Amino acid sequence: KNEVEQSPQNLTAQEGEFITINCSYSVGISALHWLQQHPGGGIVSLFMLSSGKKKHGRLIATINIQEKHSSLHITASHPRDSAVYICAVQPGGGIQGAQKLVFGQGTRLTINP
Amino acid sequence: AAGVIQSPRHLIKEKRETATLKCYPIPRHDTVYWYQQGPGQDPQFLISFYEKMQSDKGSIPDRFSAQQFSDYHSELNMSSLELGDSALYFCASSLAGIAQETQYFGPGTRLLVL
Repeated sequence: KNEVEQSPQNLTAQEGEFITINCSYSVGISALHWLQQHPGGGIVSLFMLSSGKKKHGRLIATINIQEKHSSLHITASHPRDSAVYICAVQPGGGIQGAQKLVFGQGTRLTINP
Repeated sequence: AAGVIQSPRHLIKEKRETATLKCYPIPRHDTVYWYQQGPGQDPQFLISFYEKMQSDKGSIPDRFSAQQFSDYHSELNMSSLELGDSALYFCASSLAGIAQETQYFGPGTRLLVL
């Protein structure tokens, strides 16, 4: 079993729909990241969370540390949101300055016009 | 604002050749991470450096080595390349501190081994 599990693995929706992507993890963490990867490879960091909720434009990320669960929401989805969304965690502890990421398998989101 | 720079962006090599990938972190960032993403795979952590010292090691083959230089840029050296080394290699940088730090990713180097 992977330390970081995402669901769904693939999601297709119509423009304007509200999107939710879920992430569950099994290890203690110091932070959780939501990343976006477009075709062609580049990774963009969307959010880093250690508690509560963060909002940036149409994107909202929440985390429940007790339940080891995070969600990424996209409101008023648009075709340009089509990408792979990756949940990644920084395992707790470790040497300061060495916070490697453990990645989920990604959710491939396709928004149709 | 300056981002993480990786070079080259694309690289084609033959089996048993060597390759060197370079990563230039965001100015003043002191920590560099290397990740490997095979076709259709999750990124996997390879190795990290903090203040020019190796700070953590993941699933990096013995054929690979890396270092961080005095200007904080890092190089990943890959020898005796195998077909399975074909992947997207990401570098990320961060600024170490007491609080959690965001990692900023470079665009990646796509390596194809023929």
